[in-house]
Amino acid sequence: AQTVTQSQPEMSVQEAETVTLSCTYDTSESNYYLFWYKQPPSRQMILVIRQEAYKQQNATENRFSVNFQKAAKSFSLKISDSQLGDTAMYFCAFMKLGWGTASKLTFGTGTRLQVTL
Amino acid sequence: NAGVMQNPRHLVRRRGQEARLRCSPMKGHSHVYWYRQLPEEGLKFMVYLQKENIIDESGMPKERFSAEFPKEGPSILRIQQVVRGDSAAYFCASSPNTGGWYPEAFFGQGTRLTVV
Repeated sequence: AQTVTQSQPEMSVQEAETVTLSCTYDTSESNYYLFWYKQPPSRQMILVIRQEAYKQQNATENRFSVNFQKAAKSFSLKISDSQLGDTAMYFCAFMKLGWGTASKLTFGTGTRLQVTL
Repeated sequence: NAGVMQNPRHLVRRRGQEARLRCSPMKGHSHVYWYRQLPEEGLKFMVYLQKENIIDESGMPKERFSAEFPKEGPSILRIQQVVRGDSAAYFCASSPNTGGWYPEAFFGQGTRLTVV
């Protein structure tokens, strides 16, 4: 079974600054995806970024980037130029890959990010 | 193309009543997943269904909970004889059938169940 650990329950960052959210995971699988989801107060789960485990290059999406360290089983999210709209819960998630395994996700407990003026 | 639709958004039930949560997947999606989010926690997988089949129910409580995804109509998560501990947000996600290699899951907005 897979486990995902987010050790920072809450974080705060000033607008326009950079913040890094941590995530570690444990698995014996070799083929998998990792994700960061954002959950604002509306409760909608929004996919922020995804990383394929077989790719060495770190994924980036505009102001969001990851630092994927496969050997260390670490997957941190960096948010640059933080904006007030980034205030939300952020969840790290793991998905095993393979024929017939579909999209079953294992989530961490989340980090509550507050962006302040 | 409408997203994943869940209803109701909010549901209040008294202890002992039944709760029925509905999920209409995105058009063309044949896989449905249900997750539960307890207060201040992450989402926990409950069940994975395809049309008329339960594929993986490893996260479902053994009693009082059931799920279905009929040939026609939405997927239903049913909770019988609700207790206060069932109070949570229940999320549905759907994905297309791509053989398993990263079918992206799209989430609905969830149903918040409150048991009083």
